[in-house]
Amino acid sequence: GAVVSQHPSWVICKSGTSVKIECRSLDFQATTMFWYRQFPKKSLMLMATSNEGSKATYEQGVEKDKFLINHASLTLSTLTVTSAHPEDSSFYICSARDGQGGRLWQPQHFGDGTRLSIL
Amino acid sequence: ILNVEQSPQSLHVQEGDSTNFTCSFPSSNFYALHWYRWETAKSPEALFVMTLNGDEKKKGRISATLNTKEGYSYLYIKGSQPEDSATYLCAFLRGGSNYKLTFGKGTLLTVNP
Repeated sequence: GAVVSQHPSWVICKSGTSVKIECRSLDFQATTMFWYRQFPKKSLMLMATSNEGSKATYEQGVEKDKFLINHASLTLSTLTVTSAHPEDSSFYICSARDGQGGRLWQPQHFGDGTRLSIL
Repeated sequence: ILNVEQSPQSLHVQEGDSTNFTCSFPSSNFYALHWYRWETAKSPEALFVMTLNGDEKKKGRISATLNTKEGYSYLYIKGSQPEDSATYLCAFLRGGSNYKLTFGKGTLLTVNP
């Protein structure tokens, strides 16, 4: 089945540090990847949609300059949390959609997620 | 803001019990409903993608039904096993949303041996 690898799985760092999270599709080409954030006891909230070779589309209320997304190839998207602060501490998870045209209803394939803790 | 509600938030059952939980979603502009199983320390795994009103899907002991007119889906687990313990997420895909899923908070199922 389709596998998505996400690294790192856990990060603890000091306030002001920038943190990069990688999301790779291992056995399929992902034209579209999604980045979600989940706070405790809340649902997965979409932050942005990452499209290969073009700019990401951010959801309302998500700061583009804070959460930099790069999708430079069909198998890799990265999320960089710039100058992270304690309020950015959360669980971040990516997913990918197999880019076979027309099958828009196909399920998303998820990474394992990254637990980010900013001290 | 789309509202996707799941109930109950959590439940505990004994091994062998059958159980079910609910996902409710907007009844207008429906495109698809996804069910995922999310075990601790793993990635969410797709169970079903449902697209048609009246759809019934089955995978082993797990099945799901869909009513798009009234905006709900049920997930059933027959003869629960400890390995069924996980959070079950539903996600609503609205027509014209550019494939953006809206998730419920999930139902945490614990099956006691």
